[in-house]
Amino acid sequence: DIQMTQSPSAMSASVGDRVTITCRASQGISNHLAWFQQKPGKVPKRLIYAATDLQSGVPSRFSGSGSGTEFTLTISSLQPEDFATYYCLQHNSYPQTFGGGTKVEIK
Amino acid sequence: EVQLLESGGDLVQPGGSLRLSCAASGITFSSHVMNWVRQAPGKGLEWVSGISTSGGTTYYADSLKGRFTISRDNSKDTLYLQMNSLRAEDTALYYCTYGDSKAWGQGTLVTVSS
Repeated sequence: DIQMTQSPSAMSASVGDRVTITCRASQGISNHLAWFQQKPGKVPKRLIYAATDLQSGVPSRFSGSGSGTEFTLTISSLQPEDFATYYCLQHNSYPQTFGGGTKVEIK
Repeated sequence: EVQLLESGGDLVQPGGSLRLSCAASGITFSSHVMNWVRQAPGKGLEWVSGISTSGGTTYYADSLKGRFTISRDNSKDTLYLQMNSLRAEDTALYYCTYGDSKAWGQGTLVTVSS
């Protein structure tokens, strides 16, 4: 099974900060990776698919990069509505696996 | 608009069984791989199970140890999850998703407790 190691597990940041979250796969997954945002009490929302493609309607301050085993979600300028928990998901092979999550809190 | 509507969650005793359903609309259901994902209270997301478009191939998280069975009825645009030998650690909100989880239902709550 492919393990997804996500870091950091939590972070504090200020509005306007550049935020970077990383997911590392235990083996190569090509670009079969998605990123999700989840706010408390809400359903997860897909932000990025195919590692780098922005979901329609998602602000352009979100971007994804990487291929193979190393992937990054970047928020270029953190906004108040971006405080949430973020997850990566590999769907290259079954069982699919999520990263452990990154909680982005207000500093 | 894609809609995934889960149902069937309930309070059940340890060792009990439950069947979840997910009714899909707004997509060509038979063309999409379907999944169940769960989230225990205060915890992260856990992929549970997936099924091929025809239903002929199924996949499960190793942690389930054969207790769950996923199935689908393409004539009814509905996904199922049969859950047996339920344990306290199965308590979670269960979501239905498709593909690479591009869309999610609102979830159905399963609580396993005596």
